[in-house]
Amino acid sequence: KAGVTQTPRYLIKTRGQQVTLSCSPISGHRSVSWYQQTPGQGLQFLFEYFSETQRNKGNFPGRFSGRQFSNSRSEMNVSTLELGDSALYLCASSLFTEDGYTFGSGTRLTVV
Amino acid sequence: AQTVTQSQPEMSVQEAETVTLSCTYDTSESDYYLFWYKQPPSRQMILVIRQEAYKQQNATENRFSVNFQKAAKSFSLKISDSQLGDAAMYFCASLKTSYDKVIFGPGTSLSVIP
Repeated sequence: KAGVTQTPRYLIKTRGQQVTLSCSPISGHRSVSWYQQTPGQGLQFLFEYFSETQRNKGNFPGRFSGRQFSNSRSEMNVSTLELGDSALYLCASSLFTEDGYTFGSGTRLTVV
Repeated sequence: AQTVTQSQPEMSVQEAETVTLSCTYDTSESDYYLFWYKQPPSRQMILVIRQEAYKQQNATENRFSVNFQKAAKSFSLKISDSQLGDAAMYFCASLKTSYDKVIFGPGTSLSVIP
């Protein structure tokens, strides 16, 4: 079966711009979680969507937002980009969270 | 709040030898879930092994096994017969309940020496 697909894989944006990242989960998985990975902070939880509803939220500013569509595909948006937003953004899907995640390959965002 | 600690930022092991990666966590729950994830240089994170806290038996997946010490809140990963492909970042993670978020530790970078 197809894995978790994240697009795009690489992105370069300028400070102040906004960006949208996409994640298509494994077929049948209704939960999609997003993480920001940086060398200094490790993996930081952004948010989780389940059946189009945000179920959990991390401690990120309101510039970070997301949504989930009826087909379980999810997008995250970052507005007014800052240099510190440069990171690898990972998406993970699961049928049940306690079973463990399946991760996508990530989107590498560079803000210049 | 849940926290996960991995006290070994880097470790190395000789090929075919055994290595143990440490993890401690802090939770007030009696039932929870623990995981080890592997992130090779290609960066795709994969699930290595999972443990349900209410199960006494330590989980095992082929060459990977855990030593789960609930009272000590310790969850170490043992890799037997290490292979070059085991070189990666290893993350320990915990989940409080089915509807909660997974919290990751800072990771341990494992090198395998041929």
